[in-house]
Amino acid sequence: KNEVEQSPQNLTAQEGEFITINCSYSVGISALHWLQQHPGGGIVSLFMLSSGKKKHGRLIATINIQEKHSSLHITASHPRDSAVYICAVGMRNQFYFGTGTSLTVIP
Amino acid sequence: DVKVTQSSRYLVKRTGEKVFLECVQDMDHENMFWYRQDPGLGLRLIYFSYDVKMKEKGDIPEGYSVSREKKERFSLILESASTNQTSMYLCASRVTGAYNEQFFGPGTRLTVL
Repeated sequence: KNEVEQSPQNLTAQEGEFITINCSYSVGISALHWLQQHPGGGIVSLFMLSSGKKKHGRLIATINIQEKHSSLHITASHPRDSAVYICAVGMRNQFYFGTGTSLTVIP
Repeated sequence: DVKVTQSSRYLVKRTGEKVFLECVQDMDHENMFWYRQDPGLGLRLIYFSYDVKMKEKGDIPEGYSVSREKKERFSLILESASTNQTSMYLCASRVTGAYNEQFFGPGTRLTVL
Protein backbone atom coordinates (compact mmCIF):
# COMPACT_ATOMS: atom_id res chain seq x y z
CA LYS A 1 0.00 0.00 0.00
CA ASN A 2 1.34 3.40 -0.97
CA GLU A 3 1.39 6.01 1.77
CA VAL A 4 0.56 8.68 -0.81
CA GLU A 5 -2.29 8.39 -3.30
CA GLN A 6 -2.92 10.80 -6.13
CA SER A 7 -5.89 11.25 -8.42
CA PRO A 8 -6.49 11.31 -11.25
CA GLN A 9 -3.58 9.40 -12.81
CA ASN A 10 -4.13 11.07 -16.18
CA LEU A 11 -5.91 14.28 -17.03
CA THR A 12 -6.61 15.98 -20.35
CA ALA A 13 -7.97 19.51 -20.37
CA GLN A 14 -8.76 22.24 -22.87
CA GLU A 15 -6.73 25.40 -22.64
CA GLY A 16 -8.33 27.78 -20.14
CA GLU A 17 -9.95 25.12 -17.98
CA PHE A 18 -9.65 25.03 -14.19
CA ILE A 19 -7.74 21.92 -13.08
CA THR A 20 -7.65 20.12 -9.75
CA ILE A 21 -5.25 17.35 -8.75
CA ASN A 22 -5.78 15.57 -5.44
CA CYS A 23 -3.39 13.95 -2.98
CA SER A 24 -4.27 11.85 0.06
CA TYR A 25 -1.80 10.45 2.52
CA SER A 26 -2.06 7.97 5.34
CA VAL A 27 0.83 8.89 7.62
CA GLY A 28 1.65 11.77 9.93
CA ILE A 29 3.79 14.26 8.08
CA SER A 30 5.97 17.26 8.67
CA ALA A 31 5.33 18.88 5.30
CA LEU A 32 3.76 18.20 1.93
CA HIS A 33 5.41 19.14 -1.36
CA TRP A 34 4.03 19.53 -4.86
CA LEU A 35 6.54 18.85 -7.64
CA GLN A 36 6.41 19.28 -11.41
CA GLN A 37 8.21 17.03 -13.87
CA HIS A 38 8.46 17.98 -17.52
CA PRO A 39 9.22 15.52 -20.33
CA GLY A 40 12.95 14.82 -20.21
CA GLY A 41 12.91 14.15 -16.49
CA GLY A 42 13.78 17.36 -14.61
CA ILE A 43 11.80 17.82 -11.38
CA VAL A 44 11.17 21.20 -9.79
CA SER A 45 9.50 22.06 -6.53
CA LEU A 46 6.29 24.10 -6.80
CA PHE A 47 5.11 24.35 -3.20
CA MET A 48 5.87 23.25 0.32
CA LEU A 49 2.87 23.22 2.67
CA SER A 50 2.45 22.46 6.33
CA SER A 51 -0.95 24.15 6.68
CA GLY A 52 -3.48 26.29 4.87
CA LYS A 53 -3.03 27.54 1.34
CA LYS A 54 -0.32 28.93 -0.94
CA LYS A 55 -0.59 30.71 -4.28
CA HIS A 56 2.01 31.27 -6.97
CA GLY A 57 0.77 32.80 -10.18
CA ARG A 58 -1.95 30.55 -11.59
CA LEU A 59 -1.16 27.72 -9.18
CA ILE A 60 -2.85 27.28 -5.81
CA ALA A 61 -2.11 24.54 -3.30
CA THR A 62 -4.19 23.72 -0.23
CA ILE A 63 -3.80 21.25 2.58
CA ASN A 64 -6.21 19.90 5.21
CA ILE A 65 -4.10 18.29 7.93
CA GLN A 66 -7.09 16.75 9.75
CA GLU A 67 -8.36 15.06 6.59
CA LYS A 68 -4.82 14.24 5.35
CA HIS A 69 -5.59 15.69 1.96
CA SER A 70 -4.06 18.27 -0.36
CA SER A 71 -5.13 19.72 -3.69
CA LEU A 72 -3.24 21.47 -6.44
CA HIS A 73 -5.31 23.81 -8.60
CA ILE A 74 -4.32 25.40 -11.89
CA THR A 75 -6.42 28.31 -13.08
CA ALA A 76 -6.66 29.29 -16.75
CA SER A 77 -4.63 26.25 -17.82
CA HIS A 78 -2.17 26.57 -20.69
CA PRO A 79 -0.40 23.98 -22.88
CA ARG A 80 2.89 24.81 -21.13
CA ASP A 81 1.33 23.43 -17.92
CA SER A 82 1.47 19.96 -19.52
CA ALA A 83 3.66 17.91 -17.21
CA VAL A 84 3.54 15.28 -14.49
CA TYR A 85 2.59 16.65 -11.08
CA ILE A 86 3.84 14.74 -8.08
CA CYS A 87 2.77 14.95 -4.45
CA ALA A 88 5.40 14.13 -1.83
CA VAL A 89 5.10 13.96 1.94
CA GLY A 90 8.09 14.68 4.11
CA MET A 91 8.74 12.72 7.29
CA ARG A 92 11.95 13.18 9.25
CA ASN A 93 14.71 12.43 6.75
CA GLN A 94 12.65 10.90 3.96
CA PHE A 95 10.05 11.73 1.38
CA TYR A 96 7.28 9.47 0.17
CA PHE A 97 5.95 10.13 -3.30
CA GLY A 98 2.68 9.67 -5.10
CA THR A 99 2.80 8.05 -8.54
CA GLY A 100 2.05 11.35 -10.24
CA THR A 101 -0.72 12.89 -12.34
CA SER A 102 0.03 13.29 -16.02
CA LEU A 103 -1.60 16.48 -17.28
CA THR A 104 -2.05 17.34 -20.94
CA VAL A 105 -3.52 20.73 -21.84
CA ILE A 106 -4.78 20.93 -25.40
CA PRO A 107 -4.76 24.29 -27.23
CA ASP B 1 20.71 28.77 -7.73
CA VAL B 2 21.20 25.30 -6.37
CA LYS B 3 22.63 23.00 -8.96
CA VAL B 4 22.52 19.23 -8.86
CA THR B 5 24.29 17.54 -11.74
CA GLN B 6 24.41 13.90 -12.78
CA SER B 7 27.23 12.38 -14.77
CA SER B 8 25.15 11.09 -17.69
CA ARG B 9 21.69 11.74 -19.15
CA TYR B 10 21.58 8.42 -20.98
CA LEU B 11 23.55 5.24 -20.33
CA VAL B 12 23.44 1.81 -21.95
CA LYS B 13 25.16 -1.09 -20.19
CA ARG B 14 25.26 -4.86 -20.51
CA THR B 15 24.04 -7.37 -17.94
CA GLY B 16 26.73 -8.08 -15.36
CA GLU B 17 28.63 -4.82 -15.83
CA LYS B 18 29.51 -2.63 -12.86
CA VAL B 19 27.83 0.76 -13.25
CA PHE B 20 28.67 4.03 -11.54
CA LEU B 21 26.21 6.92 -11.43
CA GLU B 22 27.65 10.15 -10.08
CA CYS B 23 25.81 13.07 -8.51
CA VAL B 24 27.31 16.42 -7.52
CA GLN B 25 25.63 19.33 -5.72
CA ASP B 26 27.09 22.78 -5.25
CA MET B 27 25.18 24.14 -2.25
CA ASP B 28 26.81 22.39 0.69
CA HIS B 29 23.69 20.32 1.43
CA GLU B 30 24.01 17.67 4.12
CA ASN B 31 21.39 15.30 2.73
CA MET B 32 21.63 13.53 -0.61
CA PHE B 33 19.29 10.94 -2.10
CA TRP B 34 19.15 8.41 -4.92
CA TYR B 35 15.77 7.45 -6.36
CA ARG B 36 14.61 5.33 -9.24
CA GLN B 37 11.48 6.21 -11.14
CA ASP B 38 9.40 3.63 -12.98
CA PRO B 39 6.04 4.04 -14.75
CA GLY B 40 3.14 3.47 -12.37
CA LEU B 41 5.42 3.22 -9.33
CA GLY B 42 6.58 6.78 -8.86
CA LEU B 43 9.87 7.66 -7.22
CA ARG B 44 11.28 5.08 -4.85
CA LEU B 45 14.16 5.73 -2.50
CA ILE B 46 17.22 3.54 -3.00
CA TYR B 47 19.66 5.08 -0.52
CA PHE B 48 20.20 8.37 1.21
CA SER B 49 23.09 9.99 2.99
CA TYR B 50 22.77 12.54 5.76
CA ASP B 51 26.47 13.34 6.00
CA VAL B 52 29.85 12.40 4.59
CA LYS B 53 30.50 8.66 4.88
CA MET B 54 27.02 8.16 6.37
CA LYS B 55 24.35 6.26 4.50
CA GLU B 56 21.01 4.62 5.10
CA LYS B 57 19.05 2.14 3.05
CA GLY B 58 15.85 3.29 1.49
CA ASP B 59 12.96 1.17 0.33
CA ILE B 60 14.72 -0.72 -2.50
CA PRO B 61 18.47 -1.03 -1.77
CA GLU B 62 18.94 -4.55 -3.11
CA GLY B 63 21.47 -4.68 -5.95
CA TYR B 64 22.79 -1.20 -5.20
CA SER B 65 25.48 0.39 -3.06
CA VAL B 66 26.50 4.00 -2.50
CA SER B 67 29.54 6.04 -1.64
CA ARG B 68 29.84 9.50 -0.15
CA GLU B 69 33.49 10.40 0.40
CA LYS B 70 32.98 14.15 -0.05
CA LYS B 71 30.01 16.29 0.96
CA GLU B 72 29.22 17.41 -2.57
CA ARG B 73 29.35 14.00 -4.25
CA PHE B 74 27.09 10.97 -3.87
CA SER B 75 27.66 7.94 -6.06
CA LEU B 76 25.30 5.08 -6.82
CA ILE B 77 26.88 1.77 -7.77
CA LEU B 78 25.23 -1.16 -9.48
CA GLU B 79 27.60 -4.00 -8.62
CA SER B 80 26.34 -6.31 -11.38
CA ALA B 81 23.75 -4.66 -13.58
CA SER B 82 20.60 -6.60 -14.41
CA THR B 83 17.82 -5.91 -16.88
CA ASN B 84 15.37 -5.14 -14.06
CA GLN B 85 17.55 -2.19 -13.13
CA THR B 86 16.64 -0.46 -16.38
CA SER B 87 15.07 2.75 -15.11
CA MET B 88 15.34 6.51 -14.66
CA TYR B 89 17.67 7.36 -11.77
CA LEU B 90 17.30 10.69 -10.02
CA CYS B 91 19.60 12.27 -7.48
CA ALA B 92 18.47 14.96 -5.06
CA SER B 93 19.92 17.04 -2.26
CA ARG B 94 18.63 19.30 0.48
CA VAL B 95 19.44 20.97 3.74
CA THR B 96 18.53 18.70 6.68
CA GLY B 97 14.90 18.99 7.76
CA ALA B 98 11.51 17.81 6.49
CA TYR B 99 10.40 21.38 5.75
CA ASN B 100 13.20 21.95 3.29
CA GLU B 101 12.65 21.23 -0.37
CA GLN B 102 14.67 18.73 -2.33
CA PHE B 103 16.59 19.85 -5.41
CA PHE B 104 16.72 17.26 -8.14
CA GLY B 105 19.27 16.49 -10.80
CA PRO B 106 18.20 16.03 -14.44
CA GLY B 107 18.12 12.24 -14.17
CA THR B 108 20.01 9.39 -15.83
CA ARG B 109 18.06 7.03 -18.03
CA LEU B 110 19.84 3.69 -17.69
CA THR B 111 19.17 0.81 -20.04
CA VAL B 112 20.64 -2.59 -19.20
CA LEU B 113 20.71 -5.00 -22.13
